[in-house]
Amino acid sequence: AQSVTQLGSHVSVSEGALVLLRCNYSSSVPPYLFWYVQYPNQGLQLLLKYTSAATLVKGINGFEAEFKKSETSFHLTKPSAHMSDAAEYFCAVSALTGNQFYFGTGTSLTVIP
Amino acid sequence: DTAVSQTPKYLVTQMGNDKSIKCEQNLGHDTMYWYKQDSKKFLKIMFSYNNKELIINETVPNRFSPKSPDKAHLNLHINSLELGDSAVYFCASSQGNYNSPLHFGNGTRLTVT
Repeated sequence: AQSVTQLGSHVSVSEGALVLLRCNYSSSVPPYLFWYVQYPNQGLQLLLKYTSAATLVKGINGFEAEFKKSETSFHLTKPSAHMSDAAEYFCAVSALTGNQFYFGTGTSLTVIP
Repeated sequence: DTAVSQTPKYLVTQMGNDKSIKCEQNLGHDTMYWYKQDSKKFLKIMFSYNNKELIINETVPNRFSPKSPDKAHLNLHINSLELGDSAVYFCASSQGNYNSPLHFGNGTRLTVT
């Protein structure tokens, strides 16, 4: 079975500091991985997705993630945090059937002015 | 133009009542989903439909009954509401491939008193 684990349910960074949100996956085959962001009282929006074309994936709002097979990781980073980045972030992996997504437990990002 | 829209946004009701949540997508996707997000932000899939056919039915009480009149609509009917049903319910859609991301609605916050 496929799954993802997000380490750290809460992360706080200062405005302008590096953002690093961790995601590790468990999959017996090359996975398809996604990062989503959820702003308060809204649905989830896609930040970026990994589909094996390139290990470094760039997403919206300056976020990027690197797929590391040796570490089974797909961590999300942003060089400089902005106040507007405060939100809940979810890592997800899709099943090969395409009809099932497995979400991590989420990481709440707080940006301190 | 809203891609995935669900109504109502808020639903407050008493235990024992029956309520429905409606969802529509204008993305031309074949697959639609219902997810439940609890107070800890954990996302759990409830149902998935592909071209009006039920393909995923997780361990959900049979008080919950999805209905898909066509591939652009997926409604959720809940009978005999219980306190534990209080949550945010998200509708989502996708093309149904393993590398196609989910597109979420903005959620329906259900409060059962």
